[in-house]
Amino acid sequence: GAVVSQHPSWVICKSGTSVKIECRSLDFQATTMFWYRQFPKQSLMLMATSNEGSKATYEQGVEKDKFLINHASLTLSTLTVTSAHPEDSSFYICSASAWEGLNYGYTFGSGTRLTVV
Amino acid sequence: GEDVEQSLFLSVREGDSSVINCTYTDSSSTYLYWYKQEPGAGLQLLTYIFSNMDMKQDQRLTVLLNKKDKHLSLRIADTQTGDSAIYFCAESETNAGKSTFGDGTTLTVKP
Repeated sequence: GAVVSQHPSWVICKSGTSVKIECRSLDFQATTMFWYRQFPKQSLMLMATSNEGSKATYEQGVEKDKFLINHASLTLSTLTVTSAHPEDSSFYICSASAWEGLNYGYTFGSGTRLTVV
Repeated sequence: GEDVEQSLFLSVREGDSSVINCTYTDSSSTYLYWYKQEPGAGLQLLTYIFSNMDMKQDQRLTVLLNKKDKHLSLRIADTQTGDSAIYFCAESETNAGKSTFGDGTTLTVKP
């Protein structure tokens, strides 16, 4: 079935460093990838929509220079948190739309728990 | 903008039915979804329904849609302890556009 592989599953980094999160669609082509952020016990907040070969579209209030998104191929999208600070600590999840047989939906990666110390 | 609302908590006993409710405001919602999230994991699509449908059943899951009232519900029959998780309702206007999520309903199943 449609699978999105997200790595790493967790990462601890020092304040001021950058962290890259990768999402790969394993058996389908993800023209569009969505990046979400989820705070503890809260819903998913859409950060940006990533389209292959073009610039990402960021939601209001999301700093595009801080959260760099690259979608260079139909199977890979990356989110880089630059100059991370403790307030960036969160759970980041990617998703892509995919059809699997007669079933449709957005397939989600397993998420990345980022802790900035 | 679009808004999706859910009750935050639901507690049931094992073997009972669970009903999780959701309301949305966007009349253009075409696709409506239910996702399950277990602790520390990503979201798992449980089922979806198109806006031109009233009901969809998939094994223990039944989705009911009242388009007039913009109300969506997920019924889980014979709820098991393994069903304990957070359930998110979501909507999207297109099959390639962004989704709007509710805040999630934490389902607790007691033995």
